Amino acid sequence: RKEVEQDPGPFNVPEGATVAFNCTYSNSASQSFFWYRQDCRKEPKLLMSVYSSGNEDGRFTAQLNRASQYISLLIRDSKLSDSATYLCVGFGGGKLIFGQGTELSVKP
Amino acid sequence: SQTIHQWPATLVQPVGSPLSLECTVEGTSNPNLYWYRQAAGRGLQLLFYSVGIGQISSEVPQNLSASRPQDRQFILSSKKLLLSDSGFYLCACVRSSGLNYEQYFGPGTRLTVT
Repeated sequence: RKEVEQDPGPFNVPEGATVAFNCTYSNSASQSFFWYRQDCRKEPKLLMSVYSSGNEDGRFTAQLNRASQYISLLIRDSKLSDSATYLCVGFGGGKLIFGQGTELSVKP
Repeated sequence: SQTIHQWPATLVQPVGSPLSLECTVEGTSNPNLYWYRQAAGRGLQLLFYSVGIGQISSEVPQNLSASRPQDRQFILSSKKLLLSDSGFYLCACVRSSGLNYEQYFGPGTRLTVT
């Protein structure tokens, strides 16, 4: 079993839709979690950090459920520019563990 | 704010040739540094990490090596490249502050082994 698992998608949604990604992790000792956004052929960029139960930043909401060992990312009112791959990342023992990413395509 | 530089940006090398990729960090001291590889259509694979000068931990057996000759310099090397070494190589820096961790990636080096 992978340490961090994500549905690879792709998720194809219309502009303005709300979309949610889930990510599960196997290491209960993981201390922190993050969502990264990666555009095609570019480096990952930090979108949101999740240190406690959740975090909200504008249209983006992340939630952490330690009991069930999953993290979610909710994107409201999706924009064309939200099209990218979203990486779920766990941090523990001084290392980042990446999920394979979920591809999102927002259509007009 | 910290900045990560990587070079070269792209590289095409023949099988069996040597490799040296460089990563330097500005704006922070004593960072944890990481090398990742992302093969086409796949997730990021951690190759090496370093918590200080001369301290290297290898995550996967392979024909690559890493060195950290200075606090803010991290180098990825190979004596003989394989076709399977092709990929997008990313250097990352983690700076911890209390309970918060901030992660930054360099722009990456896209390596094609022919």
